[in-house]
Amino acid sequence: AQSVTQLDSQVPVFEEAPVELRCNYSSSVSVYLFWYVQYPNQGLQLLLKYLSGSTLVKGINGFEAEFNKSQTSFHLRKPSVHISDTAEYFCAVVMRGRGKLIFGQGTELSVKP
Amino acid sequence: DAGVIQSPRHEVTEMGQEVTLRCKPISGHDYLFWYRQTMMRGLELLIYFNNNVPIDDSGMPEDRFSAKMPNASFSTLKIQPSEPRDSAVYFCASSFGGATSTDTQYFGPGTRLTVL
Repeated sequence: AQSVTQLDSQVPVFEEAPVELRCNYSSSVSVYLFWYVQYPNQGLQLLLKYLSGSTLVKGINGFEAEFNKSQTSFHLRKPSVHISDTAEYFCAVVMRGRGKLIFGQGTELSVKP
Repeated sequence: DAGVIQSPRHEVTEMGQEVTLRCKPISGHDYLFWYRQTMMRGLELLIYFNNNVPIDDSGMPEDRFSAKMPNASFSTLKIQPSEPRDSAVYFCASSFGGATSTDTQYFGPGTRLTVL
């Protein structure tokens, strides 16, 4: 079975600082990896996804994530955050072709001026 | 495309009442998912359908919860009778799960349920 662990429940950061949100997964088969973002009082939106190929994936709003197979990690990064990036971020994994998405517990990113 | 549509957006009801949440998935998607989000438990998968057939309902908390998908464009999640601990945001999501699918799920805006 797959599982996802987001190592930080809350990450406070100042505006224009870099940020990394950590995600580790476990699975015995090939998986797809996703990051979703949830802004306050809204549904989840896809930020980026890793399917295959290049391990560095670029998403919307300047975010990127790197797939590291040996460390079973998929950390999300942004070199300079904005106030508008304040949201909850969810890492998720799905076994290829199986449909069932497993979410981590979420990381609350709080960007302060 | 209008995306995944959920109704109502907000529902306030009294304990013991029946609640029905509705979802219209994105046209052409063959998977539909119901999730529940609470502060205590985070985002939980309740049930999902493939081609209108329930595949995994292991996340449905108890018999008071039921879900149906009578056709490819409509699904309901019903709680009867409702209890205060059912208060949460309920999300519906859909995806295309074909042979070359990337399994990206698209979420609706959610229904915020409050049971008094």
